[in-house]
Amino acid sequence: GAGVSQSPRYKVAKRGQDVALRCDPISGHVSLFWYQQALGQGPEFLTYFQNEAQLDKSGLPSDRFFAERPEGSVSTLKIQRTQQEDSAVYLCASSVSSEQFFGPGTRLTVL
Amino acid sequence: AQSVTQLDSQVPVFEEAPVELRCNYSSSVSVYLFWYVQYPNQGLQLLLKYLSGSTLVKGINGFEAEFNKSQTSFHLRKPSVHISDTAEYFCAVSSYGGATNKLIFGTGTLLAVQP
Repeated sequence: GAGVSQSPRYKVAKRGQDVALRCDPISGHVSLFWYQQALGQGPEFLTYFQNEAQLDKSGLPSDRFFAERPEGSVSTLKIQRTQQEDSAVYLCASSVSSEQFFGPGTRLTVL
Repeated sequence: AQSVTQLDSQVPVFEEAPVELRCNYSSSVSVYLFWYVQYPNQGLQLLLKYLSGSTLVKGINGFEAEFNKSQTSFHLRKPSVHISDTAEYFCAVSSYGGATNKLIFGTGTLLAVQP
């Protein structure tokens, strides 16, 4: 079956632009996670959804970062007024148990 | 708070040789433990996981890991590596029974298999 998909795979933004990153989880997966992976680092937790409820957003680095999952399936991570330090790979994962299934990520480059 | 330490940023090894990638963790609560592999420009793929029970866990592609509670370690091993095993390997933990099961990752170890 289909895995987790993310779009776009690559995004180049000028500093100050807003971006929106999409995640399509595996069908039926209740839990959805967003992680940020800086170059040469391990992924770091951003936020967690259970169905449409955002239960944990403790990892969001600033109020410029916003995530939503309005119908409990597709999720969007939005970054407003992008800064160079936002350059990273953004990974989405979904799960129904202890195992998280990861998408290929979106590589965001802010110039 | 939890943390994961992968002391080796890069491990060079010759093809068909054995390898061990080290992982130590810190946590005040019981944890689940995971090893993920990441190939270039791809997402993370689960190699194996420890939830409970036997401390020796076998995973895909011939990898295995042993949970050692007293040493708070979860080292990854393979008796004979292949060129295709070249990738970045991440150790991760999550809280047992935690509200979110979010993963805390180490900084990764690059396994570089040479012919």
